[in-house]
Amino acid sequence: DGGITQSPKYLFRKEGQNVTLSCEQNLNHDAMYWYRQDPGQGLRLIYYSQIVNDFQKGDIAEGYSVSREKKESFPLTVTSAQKNPTAFYLCASTPRGSLNPGELFFGEGSRLTVL
Amino acid sequence: ILNVEQSPQSLHVQEGDSTNFTCSFPSSNFYALHWYRWETAKSPEALFVMTLNGDEKKKGRISATLNTKEGYSYLYIKGSQPEDSATYLCASTSGYALNFGKGTSLLVTP
Repeated sequence: DGGITQSPKYLFRKEGQNVTLSCEQNLNHDAMYWYRQDPGQGLRLIYYSQIVNDFQKGDIAEGYSVSREKKESFPLTVTSAQKNPTAFYLCASTPRGSLNPGELFFGEGSRLTVL
Repeated sequence: ILNVEQSPQSLHVQEGDSTNFTCSFPSSNFYALHWYRWETAKSPEALFVMTLNGDEKKKGRISATLNTKEGYSYLYIKGSQPEDSATYLCASTSGYALNFGKGTSLLVTP
C-alpha cells in the first residue's frame, strides 16, 4: 500500500546525543515536510523539501538538519544543539512543491524523549 | 509566522448533537485553507482543501465553508457520532508549506 512510513515510533536518547528520524514515502511525491508537535501547540514546521537535493528551513529549524538525496526519503536529524528536543515529530508529503502544495499525506509520527 | 487560530480548544457533545468549529487565518497572501481530522494513534487525514471565497464543501455529515475576505472558515458536523471524536486541525497556505492552528479536540459521548 502507498503511504508514508516513519521510524522509529518511539525513541529515547540521552542529552548530547544526535538522533535521526526516518521518513520514507512510496507515493512518488515531490515535496516532503517535517513538523513538530508540543502539548498545547499547533504543528510547527521544521524543514521542507520541494524536490530532490533541495530543502528549506521552516519556522523552527535551529538544532535540526535534513537531507533529501532520494525522492522517497527525507530523514531528520535532531542534534545536540536542539535545546528542547522532546516532542512528537510528524513527516508529511504532497504531490508537488508549489505555492499551493495541496493536501498533505502524513506518517504516524515519531515520539522522541530525551532523558 | 502566520497566525492560524482555532476555537474552541475543546468540545464535548452528546451523540446526535450538531456542532461547529471556527478557524481564523490571515487573509493576505492566501492560497488555500485545509481541514484535517486527527484520531488518536493515527495519522492526520485531510477532510477539505478550499481555495475560493465562498467555497462550501461536504463529506457525509461534515461540511465546511470559507470566507477569504474576512479570514475565517467554519467546520460543521451534523448529528455527531462517537467515531467523530478526534482533533480537527485547520491550516492555511501562504507559501510553500502549511501553517497549522492548535486544533479543536472533539469528544462525542453516547
